[in-house]
Amino acid sequence: AQSVTQLDSQVPVFEEAPVELRCNYSSSVSVYLFWYVQYPNQGLQLLLKYLSGSTLVKGINGFEAEFNKSQTSFHLRKPSVHISDTAEYFCAVSGAGGGNKLTFGTGTQLKVEL
Amino acid sequence: GAVVSQHPSRVICKSGTSVKIECRSLDFQATTMFWYRQFPKQSLMLMATSNEGSKATYEQGVEKDKFLINHASLTLSTLTVTSAHPEDSSFYICSARDGHSNTEAFFGQGTRLTVV
Repeated sequence: AQSVTQLDSQVPVFEEAPVELRCNYSSSVSVYLFWYVQYPNQGLQLLLKYLSGSTLVKGINGFEAEFNKSQTSFHLRKPSVHISDTAEYFCAVSGAGGGNKLTFGTGTQLKVEL
Repeated sequence: GAVVSQHPSRVICKSGTSVKIECRSLDFQATTMFWYRQFPKQSLMLMATSNEGSKATYEQGVEKDKFLINHASLTLSTLTVTSAHPEDSSFYICSARDGHSNTEAFFGQGTRLTVV
């Protein structure tokens, strides 16, 4: 079984500042890792995913994340945020190999201020 | 990218009635679909996993007679909340996994259910 920890429930940041949303996972097997964004009253949109290969993964909207196996982390970063990035962000993990269910973290509310 | 359409987006129903929520994969065949429930400002809680043509697998603590799931085709799954009560009010989200890629799940827009 896998678990995900998102330590920060809320992250306030000023527009054009950099941001990092933290995600740590635990698993006894190899994993796939995902970051999703959720806008109010909407479903989830995939930002990026790590399946294998390069540990630095680039996603949509200027986001990127780095898989660190030794620290069991998959932190999400953006060098310069916009007001439109205000949303809830979820980190998720599944067992590698496909066909496995996702386990979600508790989410981080990113609030971008002027 | 792949599109999952979920309807309705919002529904208000009276206590004791049943509500059906549809989840369709528009441009791919979804061999597996997942149903989640999300409480305000909380994460997604997996309710059940359904594979086309077979019975759904429910997570511990989820009443299968209360939340009926049907996955009759490769593009459609439905969740029926039977005899709804105010405590069933929540945001329900479906997701579908492409049978070919099998590594990514695509999410519907969610359904806000309010039972009055």
